Amino acid sequence: KQEVTQIPAALSVPEGENLVLNCSFTDSAIYNLQWFRQDPGKGLTSLLLIQSSQREQTSGRLNASLDKSSGRSTLYIAASQPGDSATYLCAVLYFGNEKLTFGTGTRLTIIP
Amino acid sequence: NAGVTQTPKFRILKIGQSMTLQCTQDMNHNYMYWYRQDPGMGLKLIYYSVGAGITDKGEVPNGYNVSRSTTEDFPLRLELAAPSQTSVYFCASSSRGSGNTIYFGEGSWLTVV
Repeated sequence: KQEVTQIPAALSVPEGENLVLNCSFTDSAIYNLQWFRQDPGKGLTSLLLIQSSQREQTSGRLNASLDKSSGRSTLYIAASQPGDSATYLCAVLYFGNEKLTFGTGTRLTIIP
Repeated sequence: NAGVTQTPKFRILKIGQSMTLQCTQDMNHNYMYWYRQDPGMGLKLIYYSVGAGITDKGEVPNGYNVSRSTTEDFPLRLELAAPSQTSVYFCASSSRGSGNTIYFGEGSWLTVV
């Protein structure tokens, strides 16, 4: 079964710290992987998309890595800010599948 | 710069009533999706469409119907609403040509009482 797991479900860190969010997937035959941000009461905003041929993508203070052999992706957030507080979800598009498989997300709180 | 627009934002339905959630996108995307999000359960795909006139079931299609008469619009119909359909519904779209970045609407909060 193609599953996506995000642990922990919630994380609190002091402002200014660097942090890593984890995403694990069970099938290495992925087409791409996306990281999303969701603010309370809002929709999802795509942060980074990594194609299966790529190892990482960067946008500002965010860096996402992909290791298909180990079935893992990480989202690295540098110099965290209170505005980074949100739920972060990863989603995988598997080959031969038209739909994204979502993890249940990590709720991140940055403590001022 | 509208992107994906969903209406209504909030709705309360009585058991057995029917309604349609509207979704429109202005990015000329071929692919459109309806997801529902329940607390602690992640997003589940209800229906999707790869182009006008083409729709297909996702993971949890029971109790719902869709149509795709135009590229822009992808309405979701709830027939005979049940309490189990209380959820947040998200419409989304993507274009395979853009590397599959998927864009979401703001969500529709539906309560069935």
